[in-house]
Amino acid sequence: DTAVSQTPKYLVTQMGNDKSIKCEQNLGHDTMYWYKQDSKKFLKIMFSYNNKELIINETVPNRFSPKSPDKAHLNLHINSLELGDSAVYFCASSQGGVAEYTGELFFGEGSRLTVL
Amino acid sequence: GQQVMQIPQYQHVQEGEDFTTYCNSSTTLSNIQWYKQRPGGHPVFLIQLVKSGEVKKQKRLTFQFGEAKKNSSLHITATQTTDVGTYFCARTGANSKLTFGKGITLSVRP
Repeated sequence: DTAVSQTPKYLVTQMGNDKSIKCEQNLGHDTMYWYKQDSKKFLKIMFSYNNKELIINETVPNRFSPKSPDKAHLNLHINSLELGDSAVYFCASSQGGVAEYTGELFFGEGSRLTVL
Repeated sequence: GQQVMQIPQYQHVQEGEDFTTYCNSSTTLSNIQWYKQRPGGHPVFLIQLVKSGEVKKQKRLTFQFGEAKKNSSLHITATQTTDVGTYFCARTGANSKLTFGKGITLSVRP
């Protein structure tokens, strides 16, 4: 069983379109994240949710809207896609809460978004 | 700020050579984590260091946390082609935020 699964693995789309990426974890973790990895492999946090509540929002354009219907799912919707949105988006989960300490992050396999 | 620095971004070694990389912070770290990402893969957790001066080993990999808790090192003994990948250190912050360094991509010549 895959611990953190995200779909789709690949998206190729035109500028201006809207797309969604879904993520599910079966680890029973309280916290889920979205990270963006650019072509230089820099991993930048975008959002985190703890028990369906938004905890971290790292000055991401409001074209990006995360949604957590329950603590096992965290989806990412992107409106009006731009060329600069091309990247690999990783979902992750951890047992961490709102305190500073966090356990290890478990990453999904990534969703490679290409905007043409 | 809350960043961790990893320099250089790339390193090439001959198979069998040792490899060491460092992770530095200007502020004291509560703990440090290390991850490995194979080419085309996703980051995978390797280790977490919490105590000042802590040393942990995983087979040929040795991780160390500095005495002042401002830096950490990863040492690989006798590199193999399976060690290829990008190694990230990451620091924790408030709200379980994990901030990653830029990573070092290791290539190993057979």
